[in-house]
Amino acid sequence: AQKITQTQPGMFVQEKEAVTLDCTYDTSDPSYGLFWYKQPSSGEMIFLIYQGSYDQQNATEGRYSLNFQKARKSANLVISASQLGDSAMYFCAMRESYGGATNKLIFGTGTLLAVQP
Amino acid sequence: ETGVTQTPRHLVMGMTNKKSLKCEQHLGHNAMYWYKQSAKKPLELMFVYNFKEQTENNSVPSRFSPECPNSSHLFLHLHTLQPEDSALYLCASSQEGSGGNSYEQYFGPGTRLTVT
Repeated sequence: AQKITQTQPGMFVQEKEAVTLDCTYDTSDPSYGLFWYKQPSSGEMIFLIYQGSYDQQNATEGRYSLNFQKARKSANLVISASQLGDSAMYFCAMRESYGGATNKLIFGTGTLLAVQP
Repeated sequence: ETGVTQTPRHLVMGMTNKKSLKCEQHLGHNAMYWYKQSAKKPLELMFVYNFKEQTENNSVPSRFSPECPNSSHLFLHLHTLQPEDSALYLCASSQEGSGGNSYEQYFGPGTRLTVT
C-alpha cells in the first residue's frame, strides 16, 4: 500500500505569495524521516528539506518550511514569497528505520506547482 | 564535475538492443540507487547498493541488470526491453551511517529512455 499521499495534483500561486503543498504519510515505525524534493522540467530531483520524527521543531531552510503535525501524520511544505523559478513538481518522501534496507525512500505522486507572475 | 552525473541524458533503443546507463557520483558517498520514474506514477526504487554490495532488488525484471564496480560508479545494463520500460531513470547517492533517517539522497539529472 502506498504510504505517502499527495492529494494535490496541481497548484497555482501568484508570485510573492506563500503556498502550502500537502503531504500525509502512514507508518507504524516510531522512527522515520520525511523529505521534500523539487523536480524542475530538466528532470533532476533537488533535495529541499528534511524533518525527523523526533524533531521537536519544524524544519526550515530559507523560504522552505515544513509544517510537521505528527498526530495527524502530515508533513506539509510551505514555500514563502513564491518565485517564478519555484514552478516545478514537488515530491514528498519518507524513510523508515526498520528492516535491512534502511535507506529506502518511498515517494508520493507529486504536486505540480505553477507560479504565476 | 560535481554532484551526480548520468549519461546518456537521452536514449532511444529497440527491443532487441543492449545498452547501458552510467551514473557517477563525485560526493564521496557510500550508497547508490537506481529509480524508475514513469508518467503519473510515484518514483519506484529499483536497486540499492551499500558499499558496492547490492542490498535491495525491488522485484525488478532480469532484463535490467545493475553493476557497481566501486562506490563512485553505478551502471544499469539493459537488454530486450519492452515499450512499457520507457521512463526517466534516475540515479542517486547518499552517505549512510550507523543508523537514523537523516541521510538525504542526491539525484542525477536522469536518462530519458524510449523503447521502440
